[in-house]
Amino acid sequence: GAVVSQHPSRVICKSGTSVKIECRSLDFQATTMFWYRQFPKQSLMLMATSNEGSKATYEQGVEKDKFLINHASLTLSTLTVTSAHPEDSSFYICSARGPGARGRGTTNEKLFFGSGTQLSVL
Amino acid sequence: GQNIDQPTEMTATEGAIVQINCTYQTSGFNGLFWYQQHAGEAPTFLSYNVLDGLEEKGRFSSFLSRSKGYSYLLLKELQMKDSASYLCAVTLGGSYIPTFGRGTSLIVHP
Repeated sequence: GAVVSQHPSRVICKSGTSVKIECRSLDFQATTMFWYRQFPKQSLMLMATSNEGSKATYEQGVEKDKFLINHASLTLSTLTVTSAHPEDSSFYICSARGPGARGRGTTNEKLFFGSGTQLSVL
Repeated sequence: GQNIDQPTEMTATEGAIVQINCTYQTSGFNGLFWYQQHAGEAPTFLSYNVLDGLEEKGRFSSFLSRSKGYSYLLLKELQMKDSASYLCAVTLGGSYIPTFGRGTSLIVHP
């Protein structure tokens, strides 16, 4: 099946530093990737939609200058958390639309998720 | 809005059957996903429902009623490894971007 690779899996950094997270689709082309954030025992919250070759679309309340997204190719999207602070500590997960999921009557592209990045800012 | 609602936590016995419900209030509803997520790991795809009815896939089945804004995930012959969080996600027509519920933490005990 389709594979999405996400690195690093865990980051511990000092407050004020920037952290880059990579998301790669290994065996399919992903024109659109999604970045989610998840706090413990909470739902996945969509942060932004990353579109290859164009600017990302950010959800309301997400600071685009804080969370920089670059989607330079059909297989790679990066999320950079700039000047990270302790409140940015969270589990970040990327996903990409891959080969279709067929429900009765129609087809939709199911999301394949990366393995996630646990960011801890000290 | 989506207002996706699922129970926070459920417990069940190994070998038993458990049903996890999900209700939603949304306009432009397109389809509903179920994902399984173990702690600290990425969600994995379980099912996708668009039309009313039951879809069975091995030990897992998913049901949808569009008119009632209701879905459930049915897990049979529970195994210890089924202990995980189960996420219900709804997609709106056009964008196909899933919006996730809070997830239901399922604990399977011997």
